[in-house]
Amino acid sequence: AQKVTQAQTEISVVEKEDVTLDCVYETRDTTYYLFWYKQPPSGELVFLIRRNSFDEQNEISGRYSWNFQKSTSSFNFTITASQVVDSAVYFCAPSTYKYIFGTGTRLKVLA
Amino acid sequence: DAGVTQSPTHLIKTRGQQVTLRCSPKSGHDTVSWYQQALGQGPQFIFQYYEEEERQRGNFPDRFSGHQFPNYSSELNVNALLLGDSALYLCASSGEGRGNTEAFFGQGTRLTVV
Repeated sequence: AQKVTQAQTEISVVEKEDVTLDCVYETRDTTYYLFWYKQPPSGELVFLIRRNSFDEQNEISGRYSWNFQKSTSSFNFTITASQVVDSAVYFCAPSTYKYIFGTGTRLKVLA
Repeated sequence: DAGVTQSPTHLIKTRGQQVTLRCSPKSGHDTVSWYQQALGQGPQFIFQYYEEEERQRGNFPDRFSGHQFPNYSSELNVNALLLGDSALYLCASSGEGRGNTEAFFGQGTRLTVV
C-alpha cells in the first residue's frame, strides 16, 4: 500500500523556536518525488519543497530545511525561527503522477 | 499572472442532486488533477486530465466524472450526491511532468450535501 504517516497531529511552538515535522511514507515506486505543502485556513495548498528519491543530499532553503533518508522512508521538514504566519496544516506527499497525502500536521506558532 | 481559480467557492446541494465544479489552471499548465479533502483529512486523488483525456484515476466511483477543455480548463461532475460527498474539492494544475514538478492548487470548492 502507498501511504504517508505524519504521527504528529498537532504541534504548538512559541515564535522563533525551531520546529521539525516528521513524515514516514510507503511507496511501491522505486523512483519518485517527495513534496511538502502547507495549507493555511484559506484552503489552497502552497508548495514548499521538492526532493527526488535518488538524491539524499539534504538542503536548506531560507528558513526551511529537510532531512531525507531513503533507507527509513523518512522525509522530515524543519522550520527555523518559526513565525506566526507559519501556522497552517503541513502535508508531506510522495508523488509519481499523483500526490499521496497523509492526514497532515497542524502547526500553531504562538506570538 | 492568475494562479489556479476554482468556482464556485461554496455550494450547498441536496442528496441525489448533481453538481459541476470548475477549474481554470495556472497559465502555461496543461495538466489538471482533482482531489477531495474531507474535514480533518488529507486530500485524496480523484483523477487527472491531460490533453482532454482522463490519464489516471483514484478509487472513486463512476458517479465522479470529469472533462478537460481545449483551453485546459476542467470540470468535475458528481452525480447522485451522497452526504459523504461533503468535502473541499481541490483542483491542482501542473506542467506535463508526471509528478516531478510541483502542482499549484486552487482555494477549493466547499461542497455541502444536505
